[in-house]
Amino acid sequence: EAAVTQSPRNKVTVTGGNVTLSCRQTNSHNYMYWYRQDTGHGLRLIHYSYGAGNLQIGDVPDGYKATRTTQEDFFLLLELASPSQTSLYFCASSDAAANTEVFFGKGTRLTVV
Amino acid sequence: KTQVEQSPQSLVVRQGENCVLQCNYSVTPDNHLRWFKQDTGKGLVSLTVLVDQKDKTSNGRYSATLDKDAKHSTLHITATLLDDTATYICVVGDRGSALGRLHFGAGTQLIVIP
Repeated sequence: EAAVTQSPRNKVTVTGGNVTLSCRQTNSHNYMYWYRQDTGHGLRLIHYSYGAGNLQIGDVPDGYKATRTTQEDFFLLLELASPSQTSLYFCASSDAAANTEVFFGKGTRLTVV
Repeated sequence: KTQVEQSPQSLVVRQGENCVLQCNYSVTPDNHLRWFKQDTGKGLVSLTVLVDQKDKTSNGRYSATLDKDAKHSTLHITATLLDDTATYICVVGDRGSALGRLHFGAGTQLIVIP
């Protein structure tokens, strides 16, 4: 089964701080995604990528950058963290095939104080 | 505007009882619908996927239906166990590949008590 590993699992930072969330998938999937999950909302797409060096903007990209350095690794960067970015962040990956399953990491809980 | 609405928001049942979770959506096109289970502090795990215009699936104690004409899906959990305590999330995909977008509901929080 595809494995998606996120690190760190928990992070606390101060307002204005610089944070990098990491994600690695081990099934050579083309697509990788970063989502945030907030109470009362469904998961919302921040950025995604369909291959190394590629980056696509999602639905809630403001305040976030991302970088896909390899097929396996996708990073989410918060360069000036704000309290509104306190959330549970999920990384996911999928293949490009039809009706493909999406595999999620266990999430990173980020608190900006 | 929320395109995937789940009800109820939360539900408490006694172990051994059955329960039904609802998902209504307005996503167009609606290629497929998937139900996920999210344990507290964990990622989302797929339970089942529905594809056909009127579809039914079964996965152990979980069964699901989809009616694309009504844009409505249900997830039935039979003989609930304490380990079924989780948030159940309905997700509608607008294409049959990773090129499409996934539209997430906010989830139904199920609590199973002894």
